[in-house]
Amino acid sequence: NAGVTQTPKFQVLKTGQSMTLQCAQDMNHEYMSWYRQDPGMGLRLIHYSVGAGITDQGEVPNGYNVSRSTTEDFPLRLLSAAPSQTSVYFCASSHRRDMNTEAFFGQGTRLTVV
Amino acid sequence: ILNVEQSPQSLHVQEGDSTNFTCSFPSSNFYALHWYRWETAKSPEALFVMTLNGDEKKKGRISATLNTKEGYSYLYIKGSQPEDSATYLCAPRGSSNTGKLIFGQGTTLQVKP
Repeated sequence: NAGVTQTPKFQVLKTGQSMTLQCAQDMNHEYMSWYRQDPGMGLRLIHYSVGAGITDQGEVPNGYNVSRSTTEDFPLRLLSAAPSQTSVYFCASSHRRDMNTEAFFGQGTRLTVV
Repeated sequence: ILNVEQSPQSLHVQEGDSTNFTCSFPSSNFYALHWYRWETAKSPEALFVMTLNGDEKKKGRISATLNTKEGYSYLYIKGSQPEDSATYLCAPRGSSNTGKLIFGQGTTLQVKP
């Protein structure tokens, strides 16, 4: 079972460059989200989506864009990378209305902005 | 935005010690409380999803309790082993119709052989 797949696993960007982090899930989950992980700060929510065509901001949305054109895919775009966006990024998905359901995480993307 | 506090931030114990961590969260608008185990260089994996006040869940040597009225959950590890070394994250779910989770900063456990 593929679960949640993130690509790439590693990326180095120069300041000002743009890129898209890909996230795909094959579990027919309505809810998908992006987190960033920084030392001592746990996981912070960037953006989330409750279904195709619907997205909303999380705790730290600035500098990131998302869209959700299909149930399976939820890409995260950095329009103009900054060193402050150096982090490990995780995509997660879950069923939207099942209160007993857990979230499933991708393997993470380690991004360095120089 | 939910305010989630975990304590302690880090913990060092000897193999065989039992230990526990705390997760505090706002008791209003509560729907569920998640615990995740996160090993270095891996993805977070779910330990427990708890929804009912007084709920207690167990998986091997790890158990958790939930008090929704006062807004806290405890995670216990009995007889810690080096393979228990990880960061333990809690995340309350504050909405019934999304899967939105806001995570605490985590408790990092190091178990020395």
